[in-house]
Amino acid sequence: NAGVMQNPRHLVRRRGQEARLRCSPMKGHSHVYWYRQLPEEGLKFMVYLQKENIIDESGMPKERFSAEFPKEGPSILRIQQVVRGDSAAYFCASSPGRWAERVNEQFFGPGTRLTVL
Amino acid sequence: GESVGLHLPTLSVQEGDNSIINCAYSNSASDYFIWYKQESGKGPQFIIDIRSNMDKRQGQRVTVLLNKTVKHLSLQIAATQPGDSAVYFCAEARDNYGQNFVFGPGTRLSVLP
Repeated sequence: NAGVMQNPRHLVRRRGQEARLRCSPMKGHSHVYWYRQLPEEGLKFMVYLQKENIIDESGMPKERFSAEFPKEGPSILRIQQVVRGDSAAYFCASSPGRWAERVNEQFFGPGTRLTVL
Repeated sequence: GESVGLHLPTLSVQEGDNSIINCAYSNSASDYFIWYKQESGKGPQFIIDIRSNMDKRQGQRVTVLLNKTVKHLSLQIAATQPGDSAVYFCAEARDNYGQNFVFGPGTRLSVLP
């Protein structure tokens, strides 16, 4: 059973370009979370999605950032017109549905390290 | 606002000794707590969790203690090994499905030979 998969693992963009980060949750998981981690800091929640729905985006910057989790395919975190301050590691986590025994356990992917030049 | 923080940003221990990593939380409504281990270049890995109706939970070589009175959480690692070297994060959440986690800043554990 493959874990949470993220790609690319490393992404380099120039200021003003777009960054697309992909996340495939664990098999059978219907909840996806995105977190951002700056060097030497903890993870900061960005957005929580279920299939085709954004449930909580209270941690998302108001501009340039968007996320989706379509019916088919991976979840996508999109950052438009990237700036140097967007450089960070972006982690995706997935969890099972509400009727699972451990409903709140989140499994993390390896992350995507975004570098903005 | 609510926050989760750690008392010690770095901790060095001798191999074979026990390690204790501490965490303070401020949201009294949180009722689910988790410890994660993060090795360099990797995502956080679940270690152990505890719900607020418990004050102690044990796993393999790890024990989590929860003191709700002073809003304090600790992770104890017995017989620390070189493979335990990593950054450890505590996180808090409400114990309902679909709750996002609030992470502390992390403690770096270095195991000395």
